[in-house]
Amino acid sequence: DSGVTQTPKHLITATGQRVTLRCSPRSGDLSVYWYQQSLDQGLQFLIHYYNGEERAKGNILERFSAQQFPDLHSELNLSSLELGDSALYFCASSPWGGLSGNTIYFGEGSWLTVV
Amino acid sequence: ELKVEQNPLFLSMQEGKNYTIYCNYSTTSDRLYWYRQDPGKSLESLFVLLSNGAVKQEGRLMASLDTKARLSTLHITAAVHDLSATYFCAVAMDSNYQLIWGAGTKLIIKP
Repeated sequence: DSGVTQTPKHLITATGQRVTLRCSPRSGDLSVYWYQQSLDQGLQFLIHYYNGEERAKGNILERFSAQQFPDLHSELNLSSLELGDSALYFCASSPWGGLSGNTIYFGEGSWLTVV
Repeated sequence: ELKVEQNPLFLSMQEGKNYTIYCNYSTTSDRLYWYRQDPGKSLESLFVLLSNGAVKQEGRLMASLDTKARLSTLHITAAVHDLSATYFCAVAMDSNYQLIWGAGTKLIIKP
C-alpha cells in the first residue's frame, strides 16, 4: 500500500457525461500528479499540483481539469466524455515540488470505462 | 522533445536465466526511475537513479545509469516467476516537473 488513495476504483459512464476522480496523497506529501494510462498511448502525464498550485501541465485535454484543495487532496474532472477517454487514471504523490530524486508513489488507479 | 525508448517491449524467459532491459532517452537528464506494474495494478517504485554511474540493487534486480550514453539498464539475475510484470523506466524533465515514460517491457518468466 503506497498510502495514496484514489476513488472510485471503477467507473462506467456514458459518452457526453462528466465524472470526478478523487485522490488523497500520502500523509505529508505536497505534490499530486495525475497520469492517464491507456493501451494505445501508454502512460501520459496530465498535470501536477504542488501545495494547491498548478506546477506543470502535460497532455491534458481542455475537457479535463484538476485542482488541489487546501487539505491537499486533488480532484480530476473529466467532461464531455468520449470513448477514447476510457483508461486507467493514476494519481501519484511526492513530498516536494520538483523531481529532485524523490520517489513518486502511485495510487491504485481509477478505471474509467466510457460506453 | 524528450523521448524514452525501452527494449525489448516483450520478453519471455525461463526461470534461472539472466536478462537485461534497456532504457534509452534522447536528451540530458540525470534522474531516472524504474517502476514495476502487475496487470491492472498500481505502479510500484523500484529504483531512483540520480547520477551518472549510479547503481542500485534490490534482490534479483539491479539498475544502472549512464548519463553520458543516455542509457539505463535493469538487469535481472536468475529470474523467478514472481518477477513477471511490466517494467517501466521514466526520465525526469526538470524544466516542467514531469516524467516521460517508456512504453514498458512486459516480462514473462516461465517456470
